[in-house]
Amino acid sequence: DIVMTQSPDSLAVSLGERATINCKSSQSVLYSSNNKNYLAWYQQKPGQPPQLLIYWASTRESGVPDRFSGSGSGTDFTLTISSLQAEDVALYYCQQYYSTPYTFGQGTKLEIK
Amino acid sequence: QVTLRESGPALVKPTQTLTLTCTFSGFSLSTSAMCVSWIRQPPGKALEWLARIDWDDDKYYSTSLKTRLTISKDTSKNQVVLTMTNMDPVDTATYYCARSYGPSPNDYWGQGTLVTVSS
Repeated sequence: DIVMTQSPDSLAVSLGERATINCKSSQSVLYSSNNKNYLAWYQQKPGQPPQLLIYWASTRESGVPDRFSGSGSGTDFTLTISSLQAEDVALYYCQQYYSTPYTFGQGTKLEIK
Repeated sequence: QVTLRESGPALVKPTQTLTLTCTFSGFSLSTSAMCVSWIRQPPGKALEWLARIDWDDDKYYSTSLKTRLTISKDTSKNQVVLTMTNMDPVDTATYYCARSYGPSPNDYWGQGTLVTVSS
């Protein structure tokens, strides 16, 4: 199984500041035949199911604000929120969908400083 | 629009078998490349991927749980069923079903159903 490791486990950022969450996979999730990274980011607010934010490591899902961006390739990935808003307080998870079983990171809790 | 809804018992006893049903609308599991997965989340803990069934009836399971899980579909009823045998209190979690299309992450999720394992 591919192990996904996120850092940090929790993060406190001031409103309007940048938030950065990292995700590392135990093996590459870059598929060479199409040059795509099979890596997604989800946001989960209390009492709600996860919501897909980013797929193919850097493609925003429809309706996701452009302050959310994803980057990285191979085994190292980053989710960046360029200017933190109060509604961004949530848990964030990365997931690889390169090979089954699809696996999630342990989650990062994002709070307001 | 796409919706998914999980249903099943809220409480099961240790050693019992859990059966959960995901009833969906807005898409068909007979459509090529369509998939439905089950994911769970123990209280205060991370998401854990459990199983996936594809439009062509291919099935995939969590490595650690595969001996206990069975996923199946009823395309005519727009339902996917997950059974988990030999339930234990550590299996207490919110169980979600979610859709994906092709080699892609889950774009639509149900609201989840909390299952508590206790005698």
